[in-house]
Amino acid sequence: DTEVTQTPKHLVMGMTNKKSLKCEQHMGHRAMYWYKQKAKKPPELMFVYSYEKLSINESVPSRFSPECPNSSLLNLHLHALQPEDSALYLCASSPRRVQSNTGELFFGEGSRLTVL
Amino acid sequence: GDSVTQMEGPVTLSEEAFLTINCTYTATGYPSLFWYVQYPGEGLQLLLKATKADDKGSNKGFEATYRKETTSFHLEKGSVQVSDSAVYFCALGGRTTDSWGKLQFGAGTQVVVTP
Repeated sequence: DTEVTQTPKHLVMGMTNKKSLKCEQHMGHRAMYWYKQKAKKPPELMFVYSYEKLSINESVPSRFSPECPNSSLLNLHLHALQPEDSALYLCASSPRRVQSNTGELFFGEGSRLTVL
Repeated sequence: GDSVTQMEGPVTLSEEAFLTINCTYTATGYPSLFWYVQYPGEGLQLLLKATKADDKGSNKGFEATYRKETTSFHLEKGSVQVSDSAVYFCALGGRTTDSWGKLQFGAGTQVVVTP
């Protein structure tokens, strides 16, 4: 079964809070991705982990901190966010290491974040 | 650098109408091309793909052909249903100068199908 599970589905946080988004896949995929999507826009790549190592960081502010505890899990730690960080955060995975990936990604349903 | 241009929406159609969404790309190297679909309130799903020139991707009645001579990957469906209402993203990946496993998305086209 091809599935990427993200929790929570909705999150509301203040600018001083610390929270985390979680992503899990059990397809044996070796690359995992975080994307940010604003309303009516395409997803923007934030981070890529390949074989549990951070492979790509698209110059994301340090208030976003990714973590890959093992090959099935990906976290995004959030601290001191701004209202403009409100968006849908999408996790994705792919079967191959990132440099070999043709671009076929499996996405979760996303975590909708609102920063007050 | 790599880029993807797709027609702006929203595209509004009646059920059983023919759908075309235009997509053109710019890339050097060996791009793969994709159509992803995002239904309301959901993440993206891969709809179809093509990894080399003249390949045709197809799924759920949708088709797209990788045309290297016109650098295009237009999405078509012969008879749309209300359930096809979604945002459709054309995307470029594969082994290009800019890519290395990243996906370059187009702006997205919202399709609204009315009964």
